[in-house]
Amino acid sequence: KNEVEQSPQNLTAQEGEFITINCSYSVGISALHWLQQHPGGGIVSLFMLSSGKKKHGRLIATINIQEKHSSLHITASHPRDSAVYICAVLNYGGSQGNLIFGKGTKLSVKP
Amino acid sequence: EPEVTQTPSHQVTQMGQEVILRCVPISNHLYFYWYRQILGQKVEFLVSFYNNEISEKSEIFDDQFSVERPDGSNFTLKIRSTKLEDSAMYFCASSPSGGRLDTQYFGPGTRLTVL
Repeated sequence: KNEVEQSPQNLTAQEGEFITINCSYSVGISALHWLQQHPGGGIVSLFMLSSGKKKHGRLIATINIQEKHSSLHITASHPRDSAVYICAVLNYGGSQGNLIFGKGTKLSVKP
Repeated sequence: EPEVTQTPSHQVTQMGQEVILRCVPISNHLYFYWYRQILGQKVEFLVSFYNNEISEKSEIFDDQFSVERPDGSNFTLKIRSTKLEDSAMYFCASSPSGGRLDTQYFGPGTRLTVL
């Protein structure tokens, strides 16, 4: 049983397209993280959300706690956005750092 | 901007050998973590560390694993007797205070290959 589900698994887009990646989770959470994993393997934290919406540049993350769902949006996508995007949740009541990860969404943006 | 560093970037070892993976967390951070990612699979939590002791560990973190902060800067993960299935990418992370709403900063990872 996967506590964190992401969709789609793979996504190919043309440069400039608006992209949405979805994350659903089945546990009560304290926080949700969106991470970016580069082709070389390194992981970068994009957002940490506990409610509402956050925006950073062309990236927007939203969370609906009642529906146990979060989305990551990329506006005006660019080939450099190509990466694996990972959703990870901190279980409510869990200790700090014990994140539960989704399998990731592999995004490829074509020029 | 401060960052988490890890060495080596790639470690190849023979089955049964001991390996030590090293991490230098961001200097004013208090919580440290190790994660692993087997090729093609999702990232998995191994252990969290605070105030010189393990805060929490997963089922994966069995007796063959240990963590240590030997000095004021390094944070190490030791695997005593490596198995083939230990081959994975190992990520270190740190956070300022370990609070539930803290951002974790990840290192670039060490790719461990067990032959």
